Amino acid sequence: GQNIDQPTEMTATEGAIVQINCTYQTSGFNGLFWYQQHAGEAPTFLSYNVLDGLEEKGRFSSFLSRSKGYSYLLLKELQMKDSASYLCAVLDSNYQLIWGAGTKLIIKP
Amino acid sequence: GAVVSQHPSRVICKSGTSVKIECRSLDFQATTMFWYRQFPKQSLMLMATSNEGSKATYEQGVEKDKFLINHASLTLSTLTVTSAHPEDSSFYICSARGIVGRGSYEQYFGPGTRLTVT
Repeated sequence: GQNIDQPTEMTATEGAIVQINCTYQTSGFNGLFWYQQHAGEAPTFLSYNVLDGLEEKGRFSSFLSRSKGYSYLLLKELQMKDSASYLCAVLDSNYQLIWGAGTKLIIKP
Repeated sequence: GAVVSQHPSRVICKSGTSVKIECRSLDFQATTMFWYRQFPKQSLMLMATSNEGSKATYEQGVEKDKFLINHASLTLSTLTVTSAHPEDSSFYICSARGIVGRGSYEQYFGPGTRLTVT
């Protein structure tokens, strides 16, 4: 079966750094997405990794290791507005997105 | 960037009535559209995938006769919730994807429709 695992909830402090991990087992791999979703809103795109390595985009970075079936999203200089759920999703061999359950990130002052 | 609109953003209807939700890709051609449902504090659940001009593919457990999906053009898909019941109250989100193979596999999400059935 296909499986995406990520922690249910994480807490971090404003100004700090947090790393949200995602491990996956899917039938085929055509890339991994990270989305941010604020409560009551639709998800918004953060990053897409298809090759191994680190992609940096401002305060957010995403890392992928295909051999380990592993990715992480790194958020630096945390702000209160970063409080949201972060969804990991893998594009499988049929180009269908397999979604993780999401990680709720709570930022404390 | 690609923009997807959804209408209405919020709807309240009485039990037994039908509700239609529209999803439009405004500045790109969406060969595939996805319909999701999300209950409070739960993850996105894919309901169905629709390709332009063909019948939608429904996920296991989703009643195709209750959730009618039409993807008549490359910019419009509709979801009709027929004979709605209170348990159908949820946040319905559509997403759209362009032609795979042109380098973009990202799904662009609409803003969602909050459905409340009384």
